[in-house]
Amino acid sequence: GENVEQHPSTLSVQEGDSAVIKCTYSDSASNYFPWYKQELGKRPQLIIDIRSNVGEKKDQRIAVTLNKTAKHFSLHITETQPEDSAVYFCAAIGAAGNKLTFGGGTRVLVKP
Amino acid sequence: NAGVMQNPRHLVRRRGQEARLRCSPVKGHSHVYWYRQLPEEGLKFMVYLQKENIIDESGMPKERFSAEFPKEGPSILRIQQVVRGDSAAYFCASSPRQTTDTQYFGPGTRLTVL
Repeated sequence: GENVEQHPSTLSVQEGDSAVIKCTYSDSASNYFPWYKQELGKRPQLIIDIRSNVGEKKDQRIAVTLNKTAKHFSLHITETQPEDSAVYFCAAIGAAGNKLTFGGGTRVLVKP
Repeated sequence: NAGVMQNPRHLVRRRGQEARLRCSPVKGHSHVYWYRQLPEEGLKFMVYLQKENIIDESGMPKERFSAEFPKEGPSILRIQQVVRGDSAAYFCASSPRQTTDTQYFGPGTRLTVL
């Protein structure tokens, strides 16, 4: 089945700097890659997603890139703000097209 | 997405009791997924259901756990004879169609087993 690895597990950045989180996946047939943000005690919230027919997608300060050949995708947050502090999870849906397989999460701390 | 409802939000059970977790998907969504999140860990898939059908239960423990999504009413995740290791947050998600559609998560049920 699908396996998703996520790095780093923790990331501390200064407010205003950029943050980058990287994920790799194992199933070459995977075709949907969402990113979720989870604040303490809250639900995972979708912040951006990308499908396999697109290489890059941007939404304001957030962007995601996908390299299907290398089977990796990345989340980029620019001009980080304290409210960006949370745990971020990448995920993938494989060929079966149903369940999300999540990475282990990245705890991001934005220092004012 | 605020449309997915779960209750109760917090549930405390003693070892050996039963836990019933309910999930009402976004209106119009016919696909429901359950995920478990152990403390300080990521989310793990448990089961995928459509109305009256279990499509994929590959992530569900073979014993004590069951799930249903009846024609009418919410989806239910049932844990019999709970043990301390069942303490976790259980999240339900829904989507309108099966293949590569966004899954919207509910607020979760935090189960504590004493």
